[in-house]
Amino acid sequence: ELKVEQNPLFLSMQEGKNYTIYCNYSTTSDRLYWYRQDPGKSLESLFVLLSNGAVKQEGRLMASLDTKARLSTLHITAAVHDLSATYFCAVDSVGDSGGGADGLTFGKGTHLIIQP
Amino acid sequence: EAGVTQFPSHSVIEKGQTVTLRCDPISGHDNLYWYRRVMGKEIKFLLHFVKESKQDESGMPNNRFLAERTGGTYSTLKVQPAELEDSGVYFCASSQGCGTQGLAKNIQYFGAGTRLSVL
Repeated sequence: ELKVEQNPLFLSMQEGKNYTIYCNYSTTSDRLYWYRQDPGKSLESLFVLLSNGAVKQEGRLMASLDTKARLSTLHITAAVHDLSATYFCAVDSVGDSGGGADGLTFGKGTHLIIQP
Repeated sequence: EAGVTQFPSHSVIEKGQTVTLRCDPISGHDNLYWYRRVMGKEIKFLLHFVKESKQDESGMPNNRFLAERTGGTYSTLKVQPAELEDSGVYFCASSQGCGTQGLAKNIQYFGAGTRLSVL
């Protein structure tokens, strides 16, 4: 069974600080997604990482993928209050040899609070 | 362009009642997914439609759940009869493609979810 583990699950930090959210997964799939959810809103796609060593950046967020370690990171640089949200990583196992379900497998999410 | 819309946003029902959730995917998206998040747990896959056909329903918890997508447009998820453990947030997502069809097309766009409370 495919497992996706995120840590930390809860993070409170101050504006201006840097931090990293980690996502470990157990499948050989090379398709990893990061989503952001604001309270009561839909999950917003942030990044899609497709290959080993992939790095993508958008503003203060940077995501990377190490398929050998089965690890993705979401790094926050000089955090600002607007980045407060819940962040999910998810793995797409469709098409891999494991014959997993069609849907994404999610981590539990990281609830991020950035205080002024 | 309208995103994925779900209705209702909240539903409170009593155990044993029936509830029907609706999802309107992004226009032109053949793939439609249902997910559920029970409090404190991960978002879990329930099933996947390609157009009107159920491609994978391996995540459906039991036969009290029935999903339909007649005509390949909007989808409904019916819970009958509802039990206390069915409480949670039900998400719908849609995508143009899936699997190995083209990775950019695989991105799933999510609705805001329906929060279901069974009392």
